[in-house]
Amino acid sequence: GAGVSQSPSNKVTEKGKDVELRCDPISGHTALYWYRQSLGQGLEFLIYFQGNSAPDKSGLPSDRFSAERTGGSVSTLTIQRTQQEDSAVYLCASSLAGTGSHEQYFGPGTRLTVT
Amino acid sequence: AQKVTQAQTEISVVEKEDVTLDCVYETRDTTYYLFWYKQPPSGELVFLIRRNSFDEQNEISGRYSWNFQKSTSSFNFTITASQVVDSAVYFCALSEKGSGNTPLVFGKGTRLSVIA
Repeated sequence: GAGVSQSPSNKVTEKGKDVELRCDPISGHTALYWYRQSLGQGLEFLIYFQGNSAPDKSGLPSDRFSAERTGGSVSTLTIQRTQQEDSAVYLCASSLAGTGSHEQYFGPGTRLTVT
Repeated sequence: AQKVTQAQTEISVVEKEDVTLDCVYETRDTTYYLFWYKQPPSGELVFLIRRNSFDEQNEISGRYSWNFQKSTSSFNFTITASQVVDSAVYFCALSEKGSGNTPLVFGKGTRLSVIA
């Protein structure tokens, strides 16, 4: 079946602009995660959605970052007023449920470059 | 707080050699899950294995094997008879059962280069 998909694959934006990154999880997966992978910081958790529960936003680095998940499926990560330190690969993952007993499947990522 | 340490930043081996990637974790939870992921040059993270804290049996899958030891909080990964296609960055990760919020905490990764 189809895996996790993300778009765009690459995004170059000017400092100060807003960007939206999209994630389509695997059909039937109720849990959705956003992570960020950068050279200096490794893989960092950003935000987590589980069903209709309030998202866990504890990993968001600043209030410029937000995410929503519509209809329990597609998710959009928005970064407002982008800064150069936001440059990274943004990874989305989904799993059957939100418990740790289920492995997370990752999408190919969106490489964001802020100039 | 949970933490995963992969002390080996980069490893280089010659094809057909065996190689072990180390992973040490910290957690206060009694129920937790450990994972290994592979990130080849294409960039996509590929799930390799999940192990729960109550199952200390070692696992073998083809040329891959995993050694889970709670006494030393380690979950090491061995590739036997390495091949060039094994070249990738390998991540160890931890997820706690906790209250149900279970994002993965990753180690910094080990870059494995297998030379022909």
